[in-house]
Amino acid sequence: DAKTTQPPSMDCAEGRAANLPCNHSTISGNEYVYWYRQIHSQGPQYIIHGLKNNETNEMASLIITEDRKSSTLILPHATLRDTAVYYCIVAIYNQGGKLIFGQGTELSVKP
Amino acid sequence: DAGITQSPRHKVTETGTPVTLRCHQTENHRYMYWYRQDPGHGLRLIHYSYGVKDTDKGEVSDGYSVSRSKTEDFLLTLESATSSQTSVYFCATHRDSADTQYFGPGTRLTVL
Repeated sequence: DAKTTQPPSMDCAEGRAANLPCNHSTISGNEYVYWYRQIHSQGPQYIIHGLKNNETNEMASLIITEDRKSSTLILPHATLRDTAVYYCIVAIYNQGGKLIFGQGTELSVKP
Repeated sequence: DAGITQSPRHKVTETGTPVTLRCHQTENHRYMYWYRQDPGHGLRLIHYSYGVKDTDKGEVSDGYSVSRSKTEDFLLTLESATSSQTSVYFCATHRDSADTQYFGPGTRLTVL
């Protein structure tokens, strides 16, 4: 079973920031938080990952709470092409293959 | 995306027939994975490989076998396809234990 809880769906206006929450209250000290997304039946795409510090890359920012029990993925300026299912996954870094996908959040970016 | 291709991209077959799906990668990644995706279940790991001829079972391995005779190819075989194996199958790879996964485009399999 997935070790994360995400809302099933969210809407966001185009050009606005999309903030996708994830709860992972049972996360272990050596587990990282990964985010992937899947656009309309394509293969999942890696977005970002982190351990306890906030992370930013060209796609998104990841904010992890101090107690590491939850995190938020931020798409700073959402576009229509960001409409996808977003998966939050916790996994041990050196076991990158052991990814357990939950149901994810279906993000709809609207004009 | 690690140069991952899957073949065929679509296949329709009948119950009881053998089916082999192929995943090919051009990046010399050590690790390869097969997932299936069904409505309401997300992606579930079927089998994975951590090197040539080194494979192991995932969470939904019953009815599937795999082979990896060379680094670039990972084959998934359904010895006798059943309707419950109708699904979209994704292959994934990553370079080493500290890398993130890259996914292929998927194969849509329908078993009638």
